Amino acid sequence: DGGITQSPKYLFRKEGQNVTLSCEQNLNHDAMYWYRQDPGQGLRLIYYSQIVNDFQKGDIAEGYSVSREKKESFPLTVTSAQKNPTAFYLCASLQGSGNQPQHFGDGTRLSIL
Amino acid sequence: AQSVTQLDSHVSVSEGTPVLLRCNYSSSYSPSLFWYVQHPNKGLQLLLKYTSAATLVKGINGFEAEFKKSETSFHLTKPSAHMSDAAEYFCVVRITSGTYKYIFGTGTRLKVLA
Repeated sequence: DGGITQSPKYLFRKEGQNVTLSCEQNLNHDAMYWYRQDPGQGLRLIYYSQIVNDFQKGDIAEGYSVSREKKESFPLTVTSAQKNPTAFYLCASLQGSGNQPQHFGDGTRLSIL
Repeated sequence: AQSVTQLDSHVSVSEGTPVLLRCNYSSSYSPSLFWYVQHPNKGLQLLLKYTSAATLVKGINGFEAEFKKSETSFHLTKPSAHMSDAAEYFCVVRITSGTYKYIFGTGTRLKVLA
């Protein structure tokens, strides 16, 4: 079945550590997204990529980095510069036309130890 | 500028009664609108979408939404709530520009009482 796989499901970070969240899709979608979800705030866009080797900052990119070396993969690194990383992180993908809906993975929950 | 407002953060209904989740949007252009559902610790699942075709849109699990341009609304309804409908619901509008970006409402948590 086609879909988006996020791993791990739960992740713990120590102070000063960088951690990387994985997002893989086999839908052959061109665009991929990372969102952060906090209670009562909906989803906020961190980074997005419309094509391989290209990505743009979203509304809350500070303290995060991404790469898009392959069409099917869009990993997100939460750096030590992100002071409040505890959140639920969602990856999404989109095929072609912007009238299409995004498809979402099941998320990664990141917590600080 | 585009924006989306979900008017209720929490809605409670009894099982078997109608559901109404309200969403208002702001858009300079003809918008694309979506409703998603999210169960705890899960991703978002598409319920339905409006993309300038019929104004009454039918989705999965008995949900539907009506696009009302004059009221800039896209409310989600279901005639009879089921316990399995308890979840968080998000109204989403696509930014009408060269980039494919989406704006999410802050969500409405639906509680279904037995």
